[in-house]
Formats: sequence, structure tokens, C-alpha cells
Amino acid sequence: SAVISQKPSRDICQRGTSLTIQCQVDSQVTMMFWYRQQPGQSLTLIATANQGSEATYESGFVIDKFPISRPNLTFSTLTVSNMSPEDSSIYLCSVGTGQNIQYFGAGTRLSVL
Amino acid sequence: AQSVAQPEDQVNVAEGNPLTVKCTYSVSGNPYLFWYVQYPNRGLQFLLKYITGDNLVKGSYGFEAEFNKSQTSFHLKKPSALVSDSALYFCAVKETSYDKVIFGPGTSLSVIP
Repeated sequence: SAVISQKPSRDICQRGTSLTIQCQVDSQVTMMFWYRQQPGQSLTLIATANQGSEATYESGFVIDKFPISRPNLTFSTLTVSNMSPEDSSIYLCSVGTGQNIQYFGAGTRLSVL
Repeated sequence: AQSVAQPEDQVNVAEGNPLTVKCTYSVSGNPYLFWYVQYPNRGLQFLLKYITGDNLVKGSYGFEAEFNKSQTSFHLKKPSALVSDSALYFCAVKETSYDKVIFGPGTSLSVIP
């Protein structure tokens, strides 16, 4: 298994500003994922961040808006840039294992005013 | 293209009664199937998976799921529901080990004392 620490757990931000979310894993993992989730709804994959390569973004998500860093096998950050109220959501970090299981952080609840 | 459906947004069951949360899927080959649970203000937690082998899969917290290839279903079951089982349940699927996981829309389970 993997234990994931995600920070901050929640934040309230002003429009036009940026927020960087950190994801720390207690073991080395190759695959890391960033998701967005509206409360009570399903997950939407933003991007896959594998160490040693550029992040791969899903349709509708671009690097300028959601830059991702993956400096090593235990850490990643997602930045939500130039925020608007539409960016208010829960952002989840996840890691994949060789057993095809994903482990998730507790999420970052973002509100943009 | 792979997809997953959870036909019920909400399932209510009395404590002590059996519960079923339904899931159907669509993939072109043999599926990798998963169930995850999300408690309030938490990330998703892995419950169980089916990749190959016995069609009846047992997982965490007394849950089990049955893979039915002819009906393309993977329903989650538990013989006796607990109030603490109340949560949001996600079925997920992928076509190969290297594909991204597709999550269903989620089913909110309420176990009534």
C-alpha cells in the first residue's frame, strides 16, 4: 500500500491568484495522477505525472493552467493558475501500483472567490 | 471506448440487510474492474478488484463483487449492511494494465439504523 499526504487540505483563494498543491508519498512510485472532483460526483483525470517525463494532460486541461512538477519518485505538485470561481473543486492526488491499485490522498478543497 | 455505468445515484438499505450496488461496464477486451469507496472529506479507498480468476471477488470490510461477463456487470455486495458503510461508492474499469482507469459516476449508499 501507499500513504499519501496532500497539502493544503483546503484553501480559499481570490480569483486571479494561483495555488500549488503538494502530494507526498511514503514510498517510491512511478505513476502519479491528479484528479478533479466536484463534491458527490465522479473523478475527472487532469493529468498523469510519471517521473522522468513531461506530464500527460487529458482533453480540456492544459499545462499553462495546471502546471505539474514531478521532481522525484515520492513527490509531485499541481498548480492551479489564474484561478476563477469555476476552478472551485476538490483536487485529488493518486498513485498507481504494480497491482493495478490506486491510492488517493485526502484531497484539497479549493474555493475561489 | 471503455465506459462504466452505475445506474443508481442513491441506494438506501436498512442496517443488517444485504446490500447491492450495481455496476455495468463496456470494454473491447477483458476488463480490469475495481470498486472504491469514499467517505466524507476523504480520498477514495480501494475495496476490491477483478482481473482474472474466480468470478466472485472478496475485498475489504466484508464486501464482495461478482464478475458476470455475459451481463457485463460487476455488482458490489455485502450480506449485512452497517451504518458505517454509508459512503460514496465508485466502480472503475480499464482495458489493460497500461490504460488509465475510468471511474463511474458513483452511488451514494445510505444505511439506515
